Amino acid sequence: DIQMTQSPTSLAASVGESVTITCLASEDIYGSLVWYQQKPGKSPQLLIYGATILEDGIPSRFSGSGSDTQYSLKINSLQPEDFASYYCQNGLSTPRTFGAGTKLELK
Amino acid sequence: QVQLKESGPGLVQPSETLSLTCTVSGFSLTSYGVNWVRQPPGKGLEWMGTIWNDGSTDYNSALKSRLSISRDTSKSQVFLKMNSLQTEDTAIYLCARDRVNYGSYYFDYWGQGVMVTVSS
Repeated sequence: DIQMTQSPTSLAASVGESVTITCLASEDIYGSLVWYQQKPGKSPQLLIYGATILEDGIPSRFSGSGSDTQYSLKINSLQPEDFASYYCQNGLSTPRTFGAGTKLELK
Repeated sequence: QVQLKESGPGLVQPSETLSLTCTVSGFSLTSYGVNWVRQPPGKGLEWMGTIWNDGSTDYNSALKSRLSISRDTSKSQVFLKMNSLQTEDTAIYLCARDRVNYGSYYFDYWGQGVMVTVSS
């Protein structure tokens, strides 16, 4: 099974700053990497699939990059509504493993 | 519009069987797969299994011996049954629609989730 290792576990930043979250797959997933955002008490929301493709309606300050086993989610110019948890996911095959998550908190 | 809604009991006794329903609207189960995902309180997301548009299923190997996913396409419903529940199965259970584009599978719509507590 493909394992997804996400880092950091938590991250503190200020409004207006930029942050990067990384996800490492245990084997090549050929760009099939998915990112979700989850706010407290809410269901996850799709942000990015195919490592770089922004879902409709997601602001352009979110961007994804990476290939093979290493992937990143970058959020530019953080807005108050961006403080949430973020999860990566293996989008290549089952099991559709999630990373452990990154909690982005307000500094 | 696309909607998914989970329903089922909020409290289950240890060792008993959990039965949940995901009722979908705005799409056909013969065109899209549906996944079950769970999230223990304060913890991360765990993929449980998928029922594909052709009715075939895939399961998390850690749960496979206890888990069954089925559907009724005429009622637009997907069912989860998991037996031998323990306290560590206490979680929010969510269903999510499956999609694929550019070779990447992903969950584009999610239900609101249902909290299930395993306790005597």
